[in-house]
Amino acid sequence: GQQLNQSPQSMFIQEGEDVSMNCTSSSIFNTWLWYKQDPGEGPVLLIALYKAGELTSNGRLTAQFGITRKDSFLNISASIPSDVGIYFCAGQLLTGANSKLTFGKGITLSVRP
Amino acid sequence: SAVISQKPSRDICQRGTSLTIQCQVDSQVTMMFWYRQQPGQSLTLIATANQGSEATYESGFVIDKFPISRPNLTFSTLTVSNMSPEDSSIYLCSVLNPGTGHAFFGQGTRLTVV
Repeated sequence: GQQLNQSPQSMFIQEGEDVSMNCTSSSIFNTWLWYKQDPGEGPVLLIALYKAGELTSNGRLTAQFGITRKDSFLNISASIPSDVGIYFCAGQLLTGANSKLTFGKGITLSVRP
Repeated sequence: SAVISQKPSRDICQRGTSLTIQCQVDSQVTMMFWYRQQPGQSLTLIATANQGSEATYESGFVIDKFPISRPNLTFSTLTVSNMSPEDSSIYLCSVLNPGTGHAFFGQGTRLTVV
């Protein structure tokens, strides 16, 4: 089955630093999504990518859809304490009525003040 | 984006009992999805709840253990039956935005089985 790889499992950065997270897949997706999950909450969509090579920004967040359609990265610039959380990548392959998502295992981000 | 409400937000249950989780959406949606997130793990799709037909279960999940109802286009329930400590997880309801296809999630139900 499809698998998404996110590593490392945890990242620790200093407030103000930039951080980059990668996500790779063994198969192709036609949509990549990045979610953030705060404790006690469901995942919240941060950025969606639809086209190979696409680079999209949302405030301090920038994400890119890899050319091969098998990878994506998320950058967070000038981190702040509220960036703490679990960041999941998800791939979606829209085929007719099938719109299932495959999630990575997530990266837990800690930001030291 | 859709507003999704899940009840209960958390529960502690005795093994051998069952818990029904409710999911209410503020707009009509064709498909609703139920995920499980075990401690420290990613989200795993349990099943797709379709209105007017039986739910479609993913490999490793069966209807006897996770019966699902979908009485209308804004509501679904997931029951975790005959619970054991291994069922301790966060259970999440999700819908797709009909325009973009993006998935939106409820806040989750944190279940602890003792």
